[in-house]
Amino acid sequence: KNEVEQSPQNLTAQEGEFITINCSYSVGISALHWLQQHPGGGIVSLFMLSSGKKKHGRLIATINIQEKHSSLHITASHPRDSAVYICAGREGSNYQLIWGAGTKLIIKP
Amino acid sequence: NAGVTQTPKFQVLKTGQSMTLQCAQDMNHEYMSWYRQDPGMGLRLIHYSVGAGITDQGEVPNGYNVSRSTTEDFPLRLLSAAPSQTSVYFCASSSPGHLYEQYFGPGTRLTVT
Repeated sequence: KNEVEQSPQNLTAQEGEFITINCSYSVGISALHWLQQHPGGGIVSLFMLSSGKKKHGRLIATINIQEKHSSLHITASHPRDSAVYICAGREGSNYQLIWGAGTKLIIKP
Repeated sequence: NAGVTQTPKFQVLKTGQSMTLQCAQDMNHEYMSWYRQDPGMGLRLIHYSVGAGITDQGEVPNGYNVSRSTTEDFPLRLLSAAPSQTSVYFCASSSPGHLYEQYFGPGTRLTVT
């Protein structure tokens, strides 16, 4: 069983829809990362959070440490949001991250 | 800043050949790591380093060697390439001072025939 699980694995939606991607973890983590991998392959960090909520443009990330759950939301989705979204948890002061398998998002015009 | 750079972008090897994937960062990050990404699977950690002269194994280290003689460079060596090492390889760096935000290189697509 993966220690960090994402759902759904694949998501296809129409432009403008509100998108939610979920990340659940079975280990104690001190921080959770959300990253985006574009179709071209590049991986960029979106958020790091250890509590509460963070917002950047149309992207919102929330985390509930007690429930061991995080969500990434995209408002007013656009085809350029099509990418793989990956969550990863960091245990304590450990350098290593525990990676989810990713959610492939396709936004249709 | 160039961030994290990787070379080459693409490489084809024959079984048994050896090669080195290069990774460099100019952000003075202490922590560097190598991942491989295979279809349908998440990133898997091959080796990592917490500073110059210090390296350690990750989840899938067999068939790979690393060294960290400087803060900037973290090369990954394939000792004797096998078809199972066909993958996309990513180098990443981070720093406690930046809350471990991950900075990734553009990746190297390796095919072993």
